[in-house]
Amino acid sequence: DGGITQSPKYLFRKEGQNVTLSCEQNLNHDAMYWYRQDPGQGLRLIYYSQIVNDFQKGDIAEGYSVSREKKESFPLTVTSAQKNPTAFYLCASRRTGGESGYTFGSGTRLTVV
Amino acid sequence: KNEVEQSPQNLTAQEGEFITINCSYSVGISALHWLQQHPGGGIVSLFMLSSGKKKHGRLIATINIQEKHSSLHITASHPRDSAVYICAVWVASNQFYFGTGTSLTVIP
Repeated sequence: DGGITQSPKYLFRKEGQNVTLSCEQNLNHDAMYWYRQDPGQGLRLIYYSQIVNDFQKGDIAEGYSVSREKKESFPLTVTSAQKNPTAFYLCASRRTGGESGYTFGSGTRLTVV
Repeated sequence: KNEVEQSPQNLTAQEGEFITINCSYSVGISALHWLQQHPGGGIVSLFMLSSGKKKHGRLIATINIQEKHSSLHITASHPRDSAVYICAVWVASNQFYFGTGTSLTVIP
């Protein structure tokens, strides 16, 4: 079955370390997105990519970086510059062109200690 | 001000009750989505609407484009419906705006 796989589900890192969250999809979707979810807030867009080798900053890109070397993969690196990295991170993808729904991954809960 | 407002924020219901969750938005949209997030965190898309009404099982979603308002109804609620329900609108700038979610608990 097609879908989005995020790994790991839970991740713990020490303060000051960079960490990379994985997102892989086999839906042949062109566009991929990273969102951050904090308690009491709606999902906020970190980065998105509509095509391989191209990506744009979202509303809260500072302290994060991404790459899109393959259509299937859109890893997110949380750098030491991100001041409050502890959060729940969701990856999503969609087919571009016309109205189409998102498919979400199951999320990664990152805790920085 | 958030572009998407949901109400109520929290909702507790007895099993079997009819439930309504409301969503109002302030931007021009291409489509509106209702999403369900279970305690584990993963999100499932329930409906995508651009007009009228859609029904899937016990779930009904309506949208009024002129009033910029949508509702999600659950008939004959069940404890397995307990989740966070999120309204999201798709805008021409190629992104979603999300509501903060409505946390629903259905008590047996």
